[in-house]
Amino acid sequence: NAGVTQTPKFQVLKTGQSMTLQCAQDMNHEYMSWYRQDPGMGLRLIHYSVGAGITDQGEVPNGYNVSRSTTEDFPLRLLSAAPSQTSVYFCASSYSAGGYKSSGANVLTFGAGSRLTVL
Amino acid sequence: AQKITQTQPGMFVQEKEAVTLDCTYDTSDPSYGLFWYKQPSSGEMIFLIYQGSYDQQNATEGRYSLNFQKARKSANLVISASQLGDSAMYFCAMREWEAAGNKLTFGGGTRVLVKP
Repeated sequence: NAGVTQTPKFQVLKTGQSMTLQCAQDMNHEYMSWYRQDPGMGLRLIHYSVGAGITDQGEVPNGYNVSRSTTEDFPLRLLSAAPSQTSVYFCASSYSAGGYKSSGANVLTFGAGSRLTVL
Repeated sequence: AQKITQTQPGMFVQEKEAVTLDCTYDTSDPSYGLFWYKQPSSGEMIFLIYQGSYDQQNATEGRYSLNFQKARKSANLVISASQLGDSAMYFCAMREWEAAGNKLTFGGGTRVLVKP
């Protein structure tokens, strides 16, 4: 299995350009999410989806759009890139977003990351 | 207030020695989970260990163990017999089950450098 696949790995944009970060998982995971990682701040949740057709905002959603038309794919769209969006982006998925599990069944599997620079 | 605090920005450890990485958390949700992830220089996030708030015993996974002190709201990661490959950033994260979705809140991380 490929797990969680993100493309591209690296991207440089100019301010105002748009782009889409792709995320695909082949594990039939119900839950998918996007995080960004900035230096010294750990990872912060941008958007998430608990199933096809269902998305919601995380901690830092401004400037980003998502959709979930299939179970496998969860693209992240930057409509008008800004230098503040320079970051490393991670897609993550888990089998479910369900209730408390003592076994850690909701462990997130992360993609390899996408480094985005906005000039 | 910070939900996850990792107070050690960086630390050195001698190869074959044990190291403890601190993590304190803040939540009013009685149902929560605590996770540790490793991020090597290559950048990927690797899951290490999980502790549920109702788990009676401390979690262990190979050389990794979690020192869970619920009353003190701490979940320290212990790596035994450090290896050179353990050099990486380590992140503590929490999920609160009252919140919708499988959302993790991360700490700022601790960078570990293992010396030969």
